[in-house]
Amino acid sequence: EVQLVESGGGLVQPGGSLRLSCAASGFTFSSYSMNWVRQAPGKGLEWVSYISSSSSTIYYADSVKGRFTISRDNAKNSLYLQMNSLRAEDTAVYYCARVGLRVWALDYWGQGTLVTVSS
Amino acid sequence: EIVLTQSPATLSLSPGERATLSCRASQSVSSYLAWYQQKPGQAPRLLIYDASNRATGIPARFSGSGSGTDFTLTISSLEPEDFAVYYCQQRSNWPYSFGQGTKLEIK
Repeated sequence: EVQLVESGGGLVQPGGSLRLSCAASGFTFSSYSMNWVRQAPGKGLEWVSYISSSSSTIYYADSVKGRFTISRDNAKNSLYLQMNSLRAEDTAVYYCARVGLRVWALDYWGQGTLVTVSS
Repeated sequence: EIVLTQSPATLSLSPGERATLSCRASQSVSSYLAWYQQKPGQAPRLLIYDASNRATGIPARFSGSGSGTDFTLTISSLEPEDFAVYYCQQRSNWPYSFGQGTKLEIK
């Protein structure tokens, strides 16, 4: 069974940092591209970042570029999002999501981890 | 950046009725459009990929159509579990943006 489990969320002050993790199981993690997608309270989905299976290709939304860094450790079946210089508008549930192998779509999602940026 | 506009924002229907949801792109995305369903407190679930292909395990009452800039998600006969928020997402150009969502509510 495919499982994606996010962790690392919490309350952080504006300007602070946080590192999210996503533990993958039930599939060959090293073969799949991954994404982070976030959802502010009561709002819609916002794509945040993408990383290819080998980490050779990375993209960021303009809203996080220069502040967030996506990475992965295929040996540990884990995806990460390092978030620096956090702002109130970064408050959201952060989901990790897998890209399908034969189809580019987000075919599996984690349950999400809540990040709250507030003083 | 490609902007996806979903309409209507809210759709009120009864079980058994047909639902038609729209997603319009600010420029052509070819057939590179997916639809997701999200229920309260849950992660999104993939329904349709590449405009018209149902994802694994998705009931046949869900169908997608369209290409270029205009896309439609149709639910042929609504079941109680179909009332949720639906999002479209394009994969034609980075950033792979989402629409703002359509809330399908029980009338």
